[in-house]
Parts: sequence; C-alpha cells; structure tokens
Amino acid sequence: AQSVTQLGSHVSVSEGALVLLRCNYSSSVPPYLFWYVQYPNQGLQLLLKYTSAATLVKGINGFEAEFKKSETSFHLTKPSAHMSDAAEYFCAVIFTDKLIFGTGTRLQVFP
Amino acid sequence: DTGVSQNPRHKITKRGQNVTFRCDPISEHNRLYWYRQTLGQGPEFLTYFQNEAQLEKSRLLSDRFSAERPKGSFSTLEIQRTEQGDSAMYLCASRGSGGSMNTEAFFGQGTRLTVV
Repeated sequence: AQSVTQLGSHVSVSEGALVLLRCNYSSSVPPYLFWYVQYPNQGLQLLLKYTSAATLVKGINGFEAEFKKSETSFHLTKPSAHMSDAAEYFCAVIFTDKLIFGTGTRLQVFP
Repeated sequence: DTGVSQNPRHKITKRGQNVTFRCDPISEHNRLYWYRQTLGQGPEFLTYFQNEAQLEKSRLLSDRFSAERPKGSFSTLEIQRTEQGDSAMYLCASRGSGGSMNTEAFFGQGTRLTVV
C-alpha cells in the first residue's frame, strides 16, 4: 500500500521566514503526490500536485515542492511566510484511485 | 459551477438518533468520495463511488454507516444510531473522469457533526 508520512505536527515560523513542511512517501511505483491546505472549518484546497513532468512543482500562493526519488520525499516550501499562510497542510498520495492523506502539519506564523 | 456543495454545514444530534448528509459534486465529475476528519488528524477515507456504483468501503465504515449515489449525481451519507465517537467533520470530494491518475480531488466545506 502507498502512504505518506508528515514529520512535525506543528511548525512555527516568523513572518518573512522560510517555510519547510516535510512529506515522505512510501510507494513501490511512481507516486502521484499532492499538497492540500485547510483553513479553520473549511474544506481542503489544492496547493500543488506532482505530475512527473518536472521534479520542482510550483503551486498557488508562492508555494513549491520538490520531488526527490532518492529520498522518497516531496517537501513543501515557501521562501517568505505570510500571516495568511497559517493553516493546516496535508500531503497526500493516490492509491487505488483514492487520496490517502498524511496526518497534517499545522503552520503558525508569528509577526 | 460553484464547486462541491455539502449540506448541512453543521449538525448537532443526540446520541442514538439518525443523521443524513448530502453532497453535490461538480457536475461533470463521475467520482465521488466521503472522508471523515477528527481534530488534529488528516482526512480518513470512508467510501468511494464511480457514477452510481459504490466501488470501495473502508473497514472504518461500520454497519451503521451507509452511502448512496442514486443516478450518479448527488450522494448521501447516513449514520444510524449515532454515537459520540461519530463526532467529526465529514468531507465530500469529487474528481473528474480524466484518464490521468493525478487528477486532483475538489473538496466541499464539510459537515461538522456533534453527537451529544
């Protein structure tokens, strides 16, 4: 079975600092990977997805993720955090035509 | 199209009562999913439809849970004899019928169930 692991349930950064949210996958075949964001009491919104066309994927709101097969990772980054980035972030993988989610990382941004 | 719509947004019910939630997917999407999310956790897969056929049910889904998707359009999720452990956010998502496996899922805003 395919799965994803998110290291760090909480990440805190200062406004303007680098954001790094970690995701490692387990898959015996090339994975289909996604990052979603969830604001309080809301559904999930797609940030970006890995398409195998490029290892560096750019998403919305200035986020990007790099697929590294050697490290089985798909970490999410943003060069400069904004207060509005405070939310829960989920990494997910497609397995038998359904999304399987990690446990999530809550990002806090301090002024 | 206004995206995936879920109703109601909030539901408070007494233990032992039955509840039903509705999901209206994006109209051209043939795949529809139900997830459950508890505080501090990622969404957990419950069940999945392709058109009107229910293709997979999670082992998490007890006999008290049933889902339908008549005519392959909207879907309902019913919970019978609710228990306090059923309190959670119930999320619905839909995906298009494109051939690519990396077609993204679009989520509704969820129905928050509180069992008292």
